[in-house]
Amino acid sequence: KQEVTQIPAALSVPEGENLVLNCSFTDSAIYNLQWFRQDPGKGLTSLLLIQSSQREQTSGRLNASLDKSSGRSTLYIAASQPGDSATYLCAVPNNAGNMLTFGGGTRLMVKP
Amino acid sequence: GAGVSQSPRYKVAKRGQDVALRCDPISGHVSLFWYQQALGQGPEFLTYFQNEAQLDKSGLPSDRFFAERPEGSVSTLKIQRTQQEDSAVYLCASSPSPWDSPLHFGNGTRLTVT
Repeated sequence: KQEVTQIPAALSVPEGENLVLNCSFTDSAIYNLQWFRQDPGKGLTSLLLIQSSQREQTSGRLNASLDKSSGRSTLYIAASQPGDSATYLCAVPNNAGNMLTFGGGTRLMVKP
Repeated sequence: GAGVSQSPRYKVAKRGQDVALRCDPISGHVSLFWYQQALGQGPEFLTYFQNEAQLDKSGLPSDRFFAERPEGSVSTLKIQRTQQEDSAVYLCASSPSPWDSPLHFGNGTRLTVT
């Protein structure tokens, strides 16, 4: 059974710092990995989707990398801003593509 | 449509009551998913529809949980004889296909069973 772990569970940084969120998964036979953002009381917003053939994806100040062989992904946030404060979740699909297994999330607070 | 719409946003039920949660996916999205999210945790899969067919219901925690999508668009998640452990946020998501499309989530229904 796929298990997804995110470290750290919570993170507080001053504005302007570059930071890295970690995601690890136990079954490396995945065909993509998604990073989501969740604001309090809201649903999830997809940030980046990395296909298994890719090593990284970038969107603005966000960069996600994927190392299937080691079962790891990282989300890099450059020049963090208070508006980045949210919970960040990673998720991987099963082989049938009909189910995502999520990590527990990293709760990020960026202080002005 | 603008996005995935869920109603109600909040539901308080007394233990033993039945509840029905509604999801309006993005128009034309084939795939529809229900997830359950406990406080401080990541979402957990409940069930998946491709059009009107429920292809996977392996995540439904008990036979008190039932989901349907009769016309391949709107979906309803029903919970019978609610229990306190059913208290959670229920998230609906849709996508154009199940494979490599990002999921679009609704804002969820927060269910509190007293």
